[in-house]
Order: sequence, then C-alpha cells, then structure tokens
Amino acid sequence: GESVGLHLPTLSVQEGDNSIINCAYSNSASDYFIWYKQESGKGPQFIIDIRSNMDKRQGQRVTVLLNKTVKHLSLQIAATQPGDSAVYFCAEKEGLGGYQKVTFGTGTKLQVIP
Amino acid sequence: DTGVSQNPRHKITKRGQNVTFRCDPISEHNRLYWYRQTLGQGPEFLTYFQNEAQLEKSRLLSDRFSAERPKGSFSTLEIQRTEQGDSAMYLCASSLTTGLVEQYFGPGTRLTVT
Repeated sequence: GESVGLHLPTLSVQEGDNSIINCAYSNSASDYFIWYKQESGKGPQFIIDIRSNMDKRQGQRVTVLLNKTVKHLSLQIAATQPGDSAVYFCAEKEGLGGYQKVTFGTGTKLQVIP
Repeated sequence: DTGVSQNPRHKITKRGQNVTFRCDPISEHNRLYWYRQTLGQGPEFLTYFQNEAQLEKSRLLSDRFSAERPKGSFSTLEIQRTEQGDSAMYLCASSLTTGLVEQYFGPGTRLTVT
C-alpha cells in the first residue's frame, strides 16, 4: 500500500511503553491545534485537539501538551499498541471560527515493536 | 460507510493528459476541502468550499487546476495538462460549519504522472 512515512523522523517504541511525539509550530497567532494519525494508504484521522487557552488535554490513552512560550506541542500515547503504528502530524489553525484552513506540520513515523 | 469517499483511488496518466477526481463528503457537511500530499510531507491546503461557493484557493493551485462543487454536495478536482510534478496524493476532507475544525478526510486519490 501507499507509504506516507518516507523521509520522516521515526520513533521506535516497544509495545506497552509510552510514546511521546513532538512538534514545533511556527505561527504564534495559531490558537487551535490538532493531532492527526495517518496509516498507510489512508487519509489523516483526527486524534485529539487543544485550544491555545489550555496547556493539557487528555483523551483515551492520548494526552496533548501545549507550550505556547516555546511554540511546542507534544502527543503522548500511553501503553503503545501495534495499531498505533502510523505517521502522526500536528496541525495548527488561526482563528476558532469562520474559515478553517489547517496547516499541517512535518510528520513523525511511529513504529511499534511487538 | 458514511465517511468521505474519493474516486478513483489510484490514477496513472501520461504527461499532458487531463484528469478529474471526485470527492463525496459526509452528507451533512457543508464545508469541503482539497489537499495535496507528497511522500514524506504533511497535506498542503489547495482549496475550500462552503456549500457550492469556492471561498479560498492556495497559491499552489495553478491555473491548470480547477475545482467545483456545483450543487454543494460532491466536488471534482480537475488537473489539465498534467505534469510529473503533479504526482501526489490528493485528499478531500469535509466538516460542519459550526464548531471547531474537525475535518474528516477521505482515503485520497493517488496520482502518478508518467
């Protein structure tokens, strides 16, 4: 199938361990951030989002941390499973309403070692 | 399946030929987006519709590219006089108007220009 992971930074994690994927964003005016997961041959899939007025948000097995001071975003995946293997993209948006152009960052390929 | 669908999934064409891709969004979504993704990169925004109105076009969308959404439902993206540099995955996404930006992506159309 289609590979979206070529030439991407790769994170290899043992199954059951926690994963941390980092992202630096550039637009200080961005006020909404999203993490997407993209499996080979598929379109990006929404994982979790966070508004700029928050510094942490938790979902099921995932946590997003936002540090606006250094324009850094991270995605933490607890108890990583083989099904988590994919390319992960952070994305940013300026403005909470209206036109919703989303700018994607460079992805990180997560490889889960069974 | 009530997700975003795209057809065809793969298209191989010779340089100079015209190609057209179709996207069927989630039925109640009135916003529709086209993105292009090359290997190892995140999706890049191309254009956006709200209902049948095309409200934004990226500078990436040269005059050889045209998109339509004539009845505010499905959309087509046409590339005229294809070039090898047009080889990429073309992704479609849709979203609601209200609320934050959860965009639902289709599986993409992989274009190869030989």
